[in-house]
Amino acid sequence: NAGVTQTPKFRILKIGQSMTLQCTQDMNHNYMYWYRQDPGMGLKLIYYSVGAGITDKGEVPNGYNVSRSTTEDFPLRLELAAPSQTSVYFCASSYAGNAGGNTIYFGEGSWLTVV
Amino acid sequence: AQSVTQPDIHITVSEGASLELRCNYSYGATPYLFWYVQSPGQGLQLLLKYFSGDTLVQGIKGFEAEFKRSQSSFNLRKPSVHWSDAAEYFCAVVSGTGGSNYKLTFGKGTLLTVNP
Repeated sequence: NAGVTQTPKFRILKIGQSMTLQCTQDMNHNYMYWYRQDPGMGLKLIYYSVGAGITDKGEVPNGYNVSRSTTEDFPLRLELAAPSQTSVYFCASSYAGNAGGNTIYFGEGSWLTVV
Repeated sequence: AQSVTQPDIHITVSEGASLELRCNYSYGATPYLFWYVQSPGQGLQLLLKYFSGDTLVQGIKGFEAEFKRSQSSFNLRKPSVHWSDAAEYFCAVVSGTGGSNYKLTFGKGTLLTVNP
């Protein structure tokens, strides 16, 4: 019962490097999300997707890109890593339709440090 | 825009004592409300959720929460805290019922410390 799987769990990047955080879910959810968590700030939405081929910006999208070529996968790309992107990243998914009210499930998190 | 306020950044209780974590939301329509718990170094686990119906919601690990529309609150309670409940707790609200609005807005969290 995998749910939402994120990789890698830990990563150290140098300033200016690029990397992709992988996220996959096996629940056939149409909605997927990327959040970042900073101490004392709760979780902020970076990007989200309501289905394959559709993505949209959240509250803090600068410095990130996403794609959604399949229902299962929603990778998050950091093109030019900056120290401000040091954070914990959470991928999440949900089945959401017009009725609403469905649980949003989270992955285990990816700890990223930019030095 | 919707928002969630958790007024208490850090709460300390003794093991066996009762617990109440406060959550206030700002949202024009009927909210969908959630409480998540995060243990150190771990992801988020759903404790309970409110969508409609009975305003007192039961969750896992002996937690419950009460939705009070008149106070725009969704406080989390537990009658007797266990040491394993030490964690950070997040209240969240979903904006919208579907479409592009179905996403969570989180409070900043309340860190719970449990003394033996």
